[in-house]
Amino acid sequence: DSGVTQTPKHLITATGQRVTLRCSPRSGDLSVYWYQQSLDQGLQFLIQYYNGEERAKGNILERFSAQQFPDLHSELNLSSLELGDSALYFCASSVAYRVGTGELFFGEGSRLTVL
Amino acid sequence: GQQLNQSPQSMFIQEGEDVSMNCTSSSIFNTWLWYKQDPGEGPVLLIALYKAGELTSNGRLTAQFGITRKDSFLNISASIPSDVGIYFCAGMSYGGSQGNLIFGKGTKLSVKP
Repeated sequence: DSGVTQTPKHLITATGQRVTLRCSPRSGDLSVYWYQQSLDQGLQFLIQYYNGEERAKGNILERFSAQQFPDLHSELNLSSLELGDSALYFCASSVAYRVGTGELFFGEGSRLTVL
Repeated sequence: GQQLNQSPQSMFIQEGEDVSMNCTSSSIFNTWLWYKQDPGEGPVLLIALYKAGELTSNGRLTAQFGITRKDSFLNISASIPSDVGIYFCAGMSYGGSQGNLIFGKGTKLSVKP
């Protein structure tokens, strides 16, 4: 158990819909990262937050957005869903003094299926 | 953009055998890491390497940071069934945030008892 909690574990929805994935980082970790894992693309970085502020942005689509709240939990919002958005979405957190080292603690992921 | 070429894509070995996998890049990285992902789980950090030429062990696992900074390898000795999973290399450039952590596409390891 990494200490990073993600909900829901599984989600099935239809094209055009909107979903929200939730992540609680490990106790004390200030940074939250979102990754997308699909079969053909591997792990792709989406976005990073540090203590409520956006810190880095990767290949995140405009239809996707995220935020980190004062209690440090984060939400990833996916809208106007397309079939190609079906993937595993991982949240990860890192210890504040180890930010920049690549040492991440991943949650178990949220599996999104778009039909 | 930066890419990591990880090989082999998959391996099917007998329990007790040693395993070797590697990761190469056309770009220089200042940090190399190896993660393992079990089925239904998120990746877990195995080994982190921060210095060119560094050789680090974690139990039966040994990883090295290539001298050119463009490659890294992971060896697993005397494999056991619980070694099954997908192994990912990851690299980070100098001065990069965690957002610049680039992952390889993984090596899927299967172990036959």
